[in-house]
Amino acid sequence: AQSVTQLDSQVPVFEEAPVELRCNYSSSVSVYLFWYVQYPNQGLQLLLKYLSGSTLVKGINGFEAEFNKSQTSFHLRKPSVHISDTAEYFCAVRGYQKVTFGTGTKLQVIP
Amino acid sequence: SQTIHQWPATLVQPVGSPLSLECTVEGTSNPNLYWYRQAAGRGLQLLFYSVGIGQISSEVPQNLSASRPQDRQFILSSKKLLLSDSGFYLCAWSVRRQGRNTIYFGEGSWLTVV
Repeated sequence: AQSVTQLDSQVPVFEEAPVELRCNYSSSVSVYLFWYVQYPNQGLQLLLKYLSGSTLVKGINGFEAEFNKSQTSFHLRKPSVHISDTAEYFCAVRGYQKVTFGTGTKLQVIP
Repeated sequence: SQTIHQWPATLVQPVGSPLSLECTVEGTSNPNLYWYRQAAGRGLQLLFYSVGIGQISSEVPQNLSASRPQDRQFILSSKKLLLSDSGFYLCAWSVRRQGRNTIYFGEGSWLTVV
C-alpha cells in the first residue's frame, strides 16, 4: 500500500517570505514523486517531479523540492513567495500503476 | 503531442438521475487511465484506474462505475446520483514506459447534484 501525508491543510505566509510545504509518503515499492498546483477555478498543473538522479528538483515559478529517502519526504520550498502563488498544492506519489495524492495544502500569501 | 479531453466541463443533475463523464486521450497508446474526485474542502481521491481495455480497479466503494471500452477512452458512470456525488472530477493518464511516468490531467468536470 502507498500513502501520502500533507500535514498542513493551510499555510498562511507573508509576501516575499520563504515557505515550505511538507509531504511525507509511504510505499513498499520504489516511487516517483510529484507536486501539483491548483489555482482557483482551474485544473491541476504539474510543478515539478522527481524520477531519479539529483534529489533536489527545480520546478516552475521558482519552486523546488528535495527528495529525502531516509525520511520518506518530498517537501516543497520557495525562498520568496508572491501573491500569485496563492493556490492549493498537492503532493503525489506514483508507485506501481497507481498514483496517490495527498489531501492538499492551501497556501495563502498575505500582502 | 499527447492531449486529453474530458467532457462535459460542468453539469447540474438531479438526485437519482444517471451520469456519464467521458475522457479520451490522443497521441499515445496503452496509457494508464484514472478517475479522481475532489470533493469540496477535501483533497483528490482516486476512484478508478485502468491499465488496459476492460481492466478496471476500484479504489473506494461507491455508487459510481467506470468502463474502458477502447484503449484511449475512459468513462465514469452512475445509474442514480446521490447528493454526495457532487464534486470536481478529473480524468488523468500516464504512460508505463520507464522514465516517463508523469501523470497528465484533463480540464475536469464540475458536477453539482441537486
